[in-house]
Amino acid sequence: GENVEQHPSTLSVQEGDSAVIKCTYSDSASNYFPWYKQELGKGPQLIIDIRSNVGEKKDQRIAVTLNKTAKHFSLHITETQPEDSAVYFCAASRGSNYQLIWGAGTKLIIKP
Amino acid sequence: DAGVTQSPTHLIKTRGQQVTLRCSPISGHKSVSWYQQVLGQGPQFIFQYYEKEERGRGNFPDRFSARQFPNYSSELNVNALLLGDSALYLCASRPGTGGVYNEQFFGPGTRLTVL
Repeated sequence: GENVEQHPSTLSVQEGDSAVIKCTYSDSASNYFPWYKQELGKGPQLIIDIRSNVGEKKDQRIAVTLNKTAKHFSLHITETQPEDSAVYFCAASRGSNYQLIWGAGTKLIIKP
Repeated sequence: DAGVTQSPTHLIKTRGQQVTLRCSPISGHKSVSWYQQVLGQGPQFIFQYYEKEERGRGNFPDRFSARQFPNYSSELNVNALLLGDSALYLCASRPGTGGVYNEQFFGPGTRLTVL
């Protein structure tokens, strides 16, 4: 079955700097890759997603890149702000199977 | 518009008891999925329902069951609770099947503690 690995487990960056979180997946049939942000005591919030027919997607300060050949995808956050501090999860699913397989999460800490 | 709602927010049970968790999807969404999130880990898929039919089941024991009602709300039942069932239980809703409808939107979760 699908396996998603996420790195790093903790990332600390200076406010205003960029943050990059990386994930790899094992199932070449996976075609949908969302990123979720989870704040303490809340459910995960979808922040951006990408499908396998696209290599890159941007939404303001957030971007996701996908390398299908290498089976990895990354989240890029530019100009980080204190409110970006949270746990970020990557996930993958395929075709008509909408079961999301999740990474272990990255705790992002923005230092003032 | 209201997002996904779940009840109760918190729940404390003892080993061997049974629990029922409830979820109301976003209006117009026909698919509901349940996930278990143990502290410090990513969510694990439990069930998916669409139009009241089970469309997927994760690697969980038969003590876990669920159903979806005609109004698309859903219940997750867990029997014979174990300490290891302590977790945040998340419900996610999705508009329906089809390639453009992958996005899942999560509720705040129900925090279950088993003593």
